[in-house]
Formats: sequence, structure tokens, C-alpha cells
Amino acid sequence: DSGVTQTPKHLITATGQRVTLRCSPRSGDLSVYWYQQSLDQGLQFLIQYYNGEERAKGNILERFSAQQFPDLHSELNLSSLELGDSALYFCASSVGSWGGSEAETQYFGPGTRLLVL
Amino acid sequence: EDKVVQSPLSLVVHEGDTVTLNCSYEVTNFRSLLWYKQEKKAPTFLFMLTSSGIEKKSGRLSSILDKKELSSILNITATQTGDSAIYLCAVLSYSGGGADGLTFGKGTHLIIQP
Repeated sequence: DSGVTQTPKHLITATGQRVTLRCSPRSGDLSVYWYQQSLDQGLQFLIQYYNGEERAKGNILERFSAQQFPDLHSELNLSSLELGDSALYFCASSVGSWGGSEAETQYFGPGTRLLVL
Repeated sequence: EDKVVQSPLSLVVHEGDTVTLNCSYEVTNFRSLLWYKQEKKAPTFLFMLTSSGIEKKSGRLSSILDKKELSSILNITATQTGDSAIYLCAVLSYSGGGADGLTFGKGTHLIIQP
């Protein structure tokens, strides 16, 4: 158990809908990262927040958005869902975001499996 | 565009064998290279290698970073069936305002036969 929690575990929804995925980082971690894993694309980085501020962006679609709240939990919002958005969404956390040190080691949550029908 | 390539894609060996997994990368502003093991669900962290820590060891697993060749290897000695998993290599790149995040390779699927 990494200490990172994600809810819900599974989510089934229809095309065109909007969903929110939630992540609570490990105690003491200030950074939260979101990833998408699908069979054809592998693991892809979406976005990172550090202490409430967006720090880095990867391959995140405009239909997707995220935020990190003052208590450091984060939410990933996916809207106008398409069949291709079906994937496993991971959240990871780390202590910091600088330095090339062990503080950047990321610990992954169990993931939310999203199925868009 | 940052790129991470792992080889082989798949490997089947017998219990007790030693395996070497390869990872090569082309990234701008390299910061560190990470190895993860993914079994059924979420990746679990194995090692992080940086310019100041180019060799790591933990039990039967060890990893070396070759910054000149832009590559890394992950060695597993005396393999056990529990080592069967997908091993992911990822590179952390840095862009001035903070880490850009990880670029992952496609992984090496390792199967250990009893």
C-alpha cells in the first residue's frame, strides 16, 4: 500500500458525460501527478500540481482539467467523454518537485478504471 | 519530443536465471531515470538514478545509469516467479519552472517460468 488513495475504483459512464476522479496523496507529499494508462498508448503523464499550483503539463486534452485543493487532495475532471477515454487513471504523489533527489520519487495510487460506453 | 525505448519487449526465462533489461532515452534536460515494476495494478517504485547516484542495488535487483550512452540497465539475479511483471523505465525531465513529469517506455514484460 503506497499511502495514495483514489476514488472511485471503477466508473462506467456514457459518451458525452462528465466525471470527477479524486486523489488523496500520501501524508506530507505536496506534489500530485495524474497519469492515464490505456492498452494502445501505455502510461502517459497528464498534469502535475505542487502545493496547489499547476507545475507541469503533459498530454492532457482540453476536455480534461484538474485542481489541487488546500488540503492537498486533487481532482481530475473529464468532460464530453469519448470511447477512447476509457483507461486506467493513476494518481501519484511525491514530497517535492525539485532537486533530482529522492524527494521526487513518485508513489502511485491503485488507480480508477474508467469505462465509457 | 522526449523518447524512452525499452528492450526487449518481452522475455521468458526459467526460475534462477539472471536477466538484464535495457532502457535508452532521448530527452532534453534530463533529471533522473526511474524503474518501476507493474504487476496487476499500479506501478511500484524500484529505483531512481541521477547524476549523483548512477548505481543502485536492492537485494537481487540492481540498476546502472550510463549518462554517456543515455541508457540504463536493470539486472535481476536468481529470478523467482514473483519477479514476473512488466518493468517500466521512465525519465524525469526538467523545465525551468519545475519537473515536466515522467516519460515512460512501453515496458518489458518479464515472465519467469518455474
